[in-house]
Amino acid sequence: TQLLEQSPQFLSIQEGENLTVYCNSSSVFSSLQWYRQEPGEGPVLLVTVVTGGEVKKLKRLTFQFGDARKDSSLHITAAQTGDTGLYLCADTGGGNKLTFGTGTQLKVEL
Amino acid sequence: DAGITQSPRHKVTETGTPVTLRCHQTENHRYMYWYRQDPGHGLRLIHYSYGVKDTDKGEVSDGYSVSRSKTEDFLLTLESATSSQTSVYFCAISDLDTQYFGPGTRLTVL
Repeated sequence: TQLLEQSPQFLSIQEGENLTVYCNSSSVFSSLQWYRQEPGEGPVLLVTVVTGGEVKKLKRLTFQFGDARKDSSLHITAAQTGDTGLYLCADTGGGNKLTFGTGTQLKVEL
Repeated sequence: DAGITQSPRHKVTETGTPVTLRCHQTENHRYMYWYRQDPGHGLRLIHYSYGVKDTDKGEVSDGYSVSRSKTEDFLLTLESATSSQTSVYFCAISDLDTQYFGPGTRLTVL
């Protein structure tokens, strides 16, 4: 069974700071997705990465996929209070069955 | 937003009672999923469906059953609820590459 570990588990920062969260897998990812979940809502897809070494940018968010396709990072530049939420990584398993990581709970304060 | 609704949104029930959660979509997507979300575990797949009357088990299917008699509806049933099934339940739908999540149902089993 694949295990996806995310770190840190909790992160509390001030607005304007930069941060990085990590996702590590016990096995090679088929492809990796990052989601953000706000309180009381379901997760929303942010990005999908497929190729080892791939880097994708979404405004202030930068996603990196490790060369060996067993790890990934999400970097947020100049965090805003609207970035608050639970960040989840997930392996697509090559099909439609997602395996989710344990999540990083981010709180951005003024 | 993808047209996904879940009902009820909140439910409190007693151990041993049957419970049915409903997921309804207006997107005509083929695939539908049920996940549960618990602290420290991310989201875990319970059951999924790849068409009307076509369903399969996920990672944590024990104690749960599902039915899909129409494209738009996917039902999750707890035949005899236990306290370990206290959780937040999310329905998701997908075309091929992207899953869209509903708002969730918070279930408490006393």
